[in-house]
Amino acid sequence: NAGVTQTPKFQVLKTGQSMTLQCAQDMNHNSMYWYRQDPGMGLRLIYYSASEGTTDKGEVPNGYNVSRLNKREFSLRLESAAPSQTSVYFCASITGGRGTDTQYFGPGTRLTVL
Amino acid sequence: GDSVTQMEGPVTLSEEAFLTINCTYTATGYPSLFWYVQYPGEGLQLLLKATKADDKGSNKGFEATYRKETTSFHLEKGSVQVSDSAVYFCALANFGNEKLTFGTGTRLTIIP
Repeated sequence: NAGVTQTPKFQVLKTGQSMTLQCAQDMNHNSMYWYRQDPGMGLRLIYYSASEGTTDKGEVPNGYNVSRLNKREFSLRLESAAPSQTSVYFCASITGGRGTDTQYFGPGTRLTVL
Repeated sequence: GDSVTQMEGPVTLSEEAFLTINCTYTATGYPSLFWYVQYPGEGLQLLLKATKADDKGSNKGFEATYRKETTSFHLEKGSVQVSDSAVYFCALANFGNEKLTFGTGTRLTIIP
């Protein structure tokens, strides 16, 4: 099992450019998450998907869109990148529903917006 | 809303020292509590968890006890190693709700 995979690992964008971060999991998990990690702020939830075909906003959704393409894949799109979106982005997945299960994280995408 | 407060870092210790990283929480209901660890250049991975009051989670020599009366889940290890250098995150999830609320993380550096 590869677990949770993310592409790309690194990306540099100019202000106003768009890009999509890809995430896939092979653990047959129902729920998937996108977080951003900024110094001194821990992880903040951007969007999540409790099941295929559903998505919901998290704490910091502005400037992002998501797609739950199928059970395995959950992508994050920046339509018009801004310097404030410079961050490390993590995807995670979990079986779902009970509050006691473990979330499994991908290795992260380090994004710099100039 | 739910929140997690953990000890600010960075924390620097000598090898074989005793480690405590404090974590307290505010939550409605009956949360599960977690410690996640992030090694340099990697994603987070679960270190240990406890799902009800008085439970003790343990893994790799680390321990934490779920104390409802003090709303705390402090992480401890008796003798740290250089390989324990990482960022440690305390987190909670409320019953029936898998969304995690994270603390800000504590960077731990162990020097030989």
